Amino acid sequence: GNSVTQMEGPVTLSEEAFLTINCTYTATGYPSLFWYVQYPGEGLQLLLKATKADDKGSNKGFEATYRKETTSFHLEKGSVQVSDSAVYFCALSWGKLQFGAGTQVVVTP
Amino acid sequence: ETGVTQSPTHLIKTRGQQVTLRCSSQSGHNTVSWYQQALGQGPQFIFQYYREEENGRGNFPPRFSGLQFPNYSSELNVNALELDDSALYLCASSLTGRNYGYTFGSGTRLTVV
Repeated sequence: GNSVTQMEGPVTLSEEAFLTINCTYTATGYPSLFWYVQYPGEGLQLLLKATKADDKGSNKGFEATYRKETTSFHLEKGSVQVSDSAVYFCALSWGKLQFGAGTQVVVTP
Repeated sequence: ETGVTQSPTHLIKTRGQQVTLRCSSQSGHNTVSWYQQALGQGPQFIFQYYREEENGRGNFPPRFSGLQFPNYSSELNVNALELDDSALYLCASSLTGRNYGYTFGSGTRLTVV
């Protein structure tokens, strides 16, 4: 069946540091891939998406590239801010959303 | 455009009771899904509705049931509540098709005591 594996957190960074959150998936066929972000006490917000191999999704300085050969969709940001502190979820869609366990990111001033 | 709204925001129920959670989809969206998110975990798919018909279900028992109405709003019903049902329940709406992102509501925090 389909599954998503993402790196465990928490990931603690200083402001302006580079962020990478690894995400790999297992799926039959070619699903669409998503990153969602969840701030404390809130629902999930779509951060970015990619619908086919080699697509790059980007939003608010975050980027992720759909890599079919490595079945990966790693999230990156070049310079994080304190406001980026949240839980990030990688997900794939093949009729429904299948989420990873989430990675908590803590950015300190 | 309006987003996805869920009600109530918080709820406390006793084991064995029944609960109904409500969701209003984003305008124009014809698909609604429900997810259960236990503390510290990723959301788990419960079921999905398209045009008032269930068209996908996760690994949840039959005491989890739902409805979608002609205006695309939706309900999640849980019978015979168990302590493990305590979680954040998230509703998400979308257009049909795997390429569309889902818009999530802020969720209903259910506590079963």
